Amino acid sequence: DQQVKQNSPSLSVQEGRISILNCDYTNSMFDYFLWYKKYPAEGPTFLISISSIKDKNEDGRFTVFLNKSAKHLSLHIVPSQPGDSAVYFCAASAAHNYGQNFVFGPGTRLSVLP
Amino acid sequence: SQTIHQWPATLVQPVGSPLSLECTVEGTSNPNLYWYRQAAGRGLQLLFYSVGIGQISSEVPQNLSASRPQDRQFILSSKKLLLSDSGFYLCAWSLLAYNEQFFGPGTRLTVL
Repeated sequence: DQQVKQNSPSLSVQEGRISILNCDYTNSMFDYFLWYKKYPAEGPTFLISISSIKDKNEDGRFTVFLNKSAKHLSLHIVPSQPGDSAVYFCAASAAHNYGQNFVFGPGTRLSVLP
Repeated sequence: SQTIHQWPATLVQPVGSPLSLECTVEGTSNPNLYWYRQAAGRGLQLLFYSVGIGQISSEVPQNLSASRPQDRQFILSSKKLLLSDSGFYLCAWSLLAYNEQFFGPGTRLTVL
């Protein structure tokens, strides 16, 4: 049973436009969420996080939105750049339950077209 | 600053051969350490994690094992590789279980 879902395996966006990557989760105990970006043949790099006490967190061009009632979060990239082309993973954890590790979604491949 | 190393970067092994992948972390003490596998077209699957020397928890039953002989060293092993062991293996560390994790460069393993 997939606890973290990223239902779009791929997404193509024009350079300069907004990229919206979606993530849904099923475990209501999850209270801390991360987004990672991964280039081919490299390890993922941490992008941005959000705790369940917030509904929005912003860092430069990246904004993460959390809708707890819908068990849904999204990553917005504005404006999108060709260098943003990568696989994006959403990860969730029940942070206050020590030893509860992150569960990763399957990833969404973003292609930003020049 | 903290860095994480993995080696080798790529590995091609025959079925039935042993495996040893090494991961080391610099610039931090008593990190939580993790081994993940990314199979082709799939997400990151947590294989093992460790909260301290000699403490290993397995998330998925399989023919792989992990060891943590030193505080900042994490080793992934197998006595006999299977074809299904092919994939991209990633080591990661975090300060606490629920902190963001920092990943190494990965090892591409191909079992023939």
